[in-house]
Amino acid sequence: AQTVTQSQPEMSVQEAETVTLSCTYDTSESDYYLFWYKQPPSRQMILVIRQEAYKQQNATENRFSVNFQKAAKSFSLKISDSQLGDAAMYFCAYRSPSTYSGGGADGLTFGKGTHLIIQP
Amino acid sequence: DGGITQSPKYLFRKEGQNVTLSCEQNLNHDAMYWYRQDPGQGLRLIYYSQIVNDFQKGDIAEGYSVSREKKESFPLTVTSAQKNPTAFYLCASSIRQFYGYTFGSGTRLTVV
Repeated sequence: AQTVTQSQPEMSVQEAETVTLSCTYDTSESDYYLFWYKQPPSRQMILVIRQEAYKQQNATENRFSVNFQKAAKSFSLKISDSQLGDAAMYFCAYRSPSTYSGGGADGLTFGKGTHLIIQP
Repeated sequence: DGGITQSPKYLFRKEGQNVTLSCEQNLNHDAMYWYRQDPGQGLRLIYYSQIVNDFQKGDIAEGYSVSREKKESFPLTVTSAQKNPTAFYLCASSIRQFYGYTFGSGTRLTVV
C-alpha cells in the first residue's frame, strides 16, 4: 500500500514571502497522480494543484507550484507571495491509476497535513 | 450549480444508535467516496463506490455501512458497532478520467 508523509505538522510564513511544504510518498508504481489540497477553517477541501508522474514538467497554478522529484519520491508545494487567505491545512495526496484498468483499490491516500500560518 | 451536498452539517447521536449521513452529487460522477477526518490523522477512506449497486471497503470500514442505489446518492450509516464515531466526515466524487476529487462540505458527527 502507498503511504504519504508530511513531515511538517505546522509552518509559519510572513505575508508576501515564499514558503515550501514538504511531501514524500512510498510506492512501487511507475505511473500515478499526486495532489495538493487546501482545507481552510471552513473545512471545505479545495484542490490546489495536481501532477501526473509521467510528466517531467512541474505543475504550476498561479502562485502555487510544485517540485516533483520522482526518483526521490518527493512532491513539495511552493507558495509564492503568501497571502492571508492561504492560511489553511494543506494535504498531500497520492492516487494510483490502476483502478480503472481492472484492479487495485481506489481512493486517494492522504498525508496527515501541514497547518500553514500566515503572519501579517 | 453542480456539486456535492452533504447533510446535515452537524449531527448528534446517542450511544447505541445508528445514524445516516447523506451525500448527493449532481456532477454525473461515477465514483463516490467517504472519508473520516480526525485531528492529526489526515483523511482515512471508509468506503467507496465506482458504479451503482457496487461498493468496496476502504481502510477503516468496520462499524460503517453504505449503499449505492442511485448514481447521485451514496449515504453512509454509522452503526452502533463503531466504537469511536465522533469525527468529521467528508464525501467526495470523481469522474473516471479525472483524477482528483470534488468534496462536499462535510458532516460533523458527535456522540453524546
